Amino acid sequence: GAVVSQHPSWVICKSGTSVKIECRSLDFQATTMFWYRQFPKQSLMLMATSNEGSKATYEQGVEKDKFLINHASLTLSTLTVTSAHPEDSSFYICSRQGVRNEQFFGPGTRLTVL
Amino acid sequence: TQLLEQSPQFLSIQEGENLTVYCNSSSVFSSLQWYRQEPGEGPVLLVTVVTGGEVKKLKRLTFQFGDARKDSSLHITAAQPGDTGLYLCAGATGGGNKLTFGTGTQLKVEL
Repeated sequence: GAVVSQHPSWVICKSGTSVKIECRSLDFQATTMFWYRQFPKQSLMLMATSNEGSKATYEQGVEKDKFLINHASLTLSTLTVTSAHPEDSSFYICSRQGVRNEQFFGPGTRLTVL
Repeated sequence: TQLLEQSPQFLSIQEGENLTVYCNSSSVFSSLQWYRQEPGEGPVLLVTVVTGGEVKKLKRLTFQFGDARKDSSLHITAAQPGDTGLYLCAGATGGGNKLTFGTGTQLKVEL
């Protein structure tokens, strides 16, 4: 069964609004989770590492003020896309780490900004 | 920046054919994983290889980790339509917990 869930699975919003995506670790207390975005037919691009109880670590080129990450508990990380614009439309995927550095991914969230 | 190049980028074959996907880098990885992703879903882990030269089999899929731990291959025997998807390799380095993902191989197996 699934070990990571995401909600919502898809969302459509107007330009300028903010959207929150939840990622839950269902079987494991995850001190570290990851957020990726993926464009059609492309690989995953790591956006940030979410750390429970502390600030997220963002990859180079990712705006931390635009993509707000909160990891307030060991089973929940949230990604908020603030003031979304059409270019933010993408597939957002979260994951938690396994014991051998493998990752278990959520089902993804399709964001469409009109 | 570590890069993992996969080849081919796209592959369309008939059911029953064999294929090999390559994952190459100039960097050394402590472990390497292969994932398959279907449209609209998150990637699913297929295998993790850790030791240089290691070979793992998963039914019709054979995974090999290069001796120098810089490259890997995935061989599928007698491909089936259910094998269709995006195949991604991903490498981990040292004690870090981040993965570097490959560029991806889109496989389509037709009847």
